[in-house]
Parts: sequence; structure tokens; C-alpha cells
Amino acid sequence: LAKTTQPISMDSYEGQEVNITCSHNNIATNDYITWYQQFPSQGPRFIIQGYKTKVTNEVASLFIPADRKSSTLSLPRVSLSDTAVYYCLVIGNTGGFKTIFGAGTRLFVKA
Amino acid sequence: NAGVTQTPKFQVLKTGQSMTLQCAQDMNHEYMSWYRQDPGMGLRLIHYSVGAGITDQGEVPNGYNVSRSTTEDFPLRLLSAAPSQTSVYFCASSYSMSAYEQYFGPGTRLTVT
Repeated sequence: LAKTTQPISMDSYEGQEVNITCSHNNIATNDYITWYQQFPSQGPRFIIQGYKTKVTNEVASLFIPADRKSSTLSLPRVSLSDTAVYYCLVIGNTGGFKTIFGAGTRLFVKA
Repeated sequence: NAGVTQTPKFQVLKTGQSMTLQCAQDMNHEYMSWYRQDPGMGLRLIHYSVGAGITDQGEVPNGYNVSRSTTEDFPLRLLSAAPSQTSVYFCASSYSMSAYEQYFGPGTRLTVT
């Protein structure tokens, strides 16, 4: 299972773009990169998933370089309601269905 | 669809007591899992199931049992509660083994005194 490393916390201001980078040096060929968001007292919620290059949806963009050893979650123009913990996961079928959540990145958006 | 439901929302146990945390999903998902989350920490996988009748251990299985007799239900049993099992427990489901999107329940907050 690929281990992920991401910053423990980040601060931002409303209206700014936030980029959270995750390292996953031993990602396997069949692994996908996935990001989740968790608000206090709630279960995590899926944000975005990608394999390589760039993926964009209505919530975020995910940038993955060619070597796939890292990925960057980009949140455009954050608001106070984006204050949450963001988890980077590497998911694949290597070794069975096991998903490892690290400690995540605690994003705090200020007014 | 109700999605993933968990009961109870809160529970207080005394050391040595046993109980079952309930989890159900109505999305016909094959894959279900249980996580625990301690304060300020990420989620740790306890047990998971790839289909009815099939379960396997995650990172932290000790002290917990699971079974999967139906596609919909995946209960988690605490055999003899210990204070170290005080945590928030989340159940999740997804439609395939390599699915990137898991659907999480609202969690059960368990305190063991």
C-alpha cells in the first residue's frame, strides 16, 4: 500500500486558491489517487479522483505529474465553509480492498 | 436512498461490556468497511468485507468481530469493551473493490469508561 505524506495544516483567506500537495512515492501502476473532505462530526466525503495529468470537477482540480509520485488538490476561491480536513489516499486492488487514511491536512479558512 | 446508516449515534459502555454497532446501506454495494477515528487522527481500518459471507482484517482488528450475512448489513461487534476503544466509528461502502468513492455513514461516538 502506498504511503502518503501531506502537510498537517494550512491557513488561507476567503477568496484565495488553496493547493494541498500529497507525496506518494511508492504508488503502484494500478493505483488511483483520491481526495476526501471531512467536516467535524461527519464522515469523510469524496471530492475527486484521478490517475494522471489533470482532473477537474465542480468542487476542485487534481494535478498529477507524469511520475505520479505526488498530487496536488486545488480548491479555487475558498470560503469559510471549506474549513475541513482533507485526506489524500492511494487506492488500488494491490493487496486487496484496504484504504489507508493518513492524518490529513487541516485547512482553516479565515475571513 | 438513505445511503449508509449507523446506529446508535452515541453509546457509553463500561469496561468489559459487549455491544454491536449497526451499519446498513441501501445502494447494493458489495464492499463495506469499518473505521475508527481517534481525536485529531485520521481513520484507521478495522475490518472490511468484499461481499456477503466474506470479511477480512484491516489495520486494527483486535477486539472487534464482524460478519456479513447480507449485502446490506455489516455489524461490528465489540467483544469486551476497553477504554482504548473509545473512539468515533465510521462505516463505509462502495460498489467495487477498486472504487475510488466510498460513502460514509454519520458515525457512532463510543465512550468506554
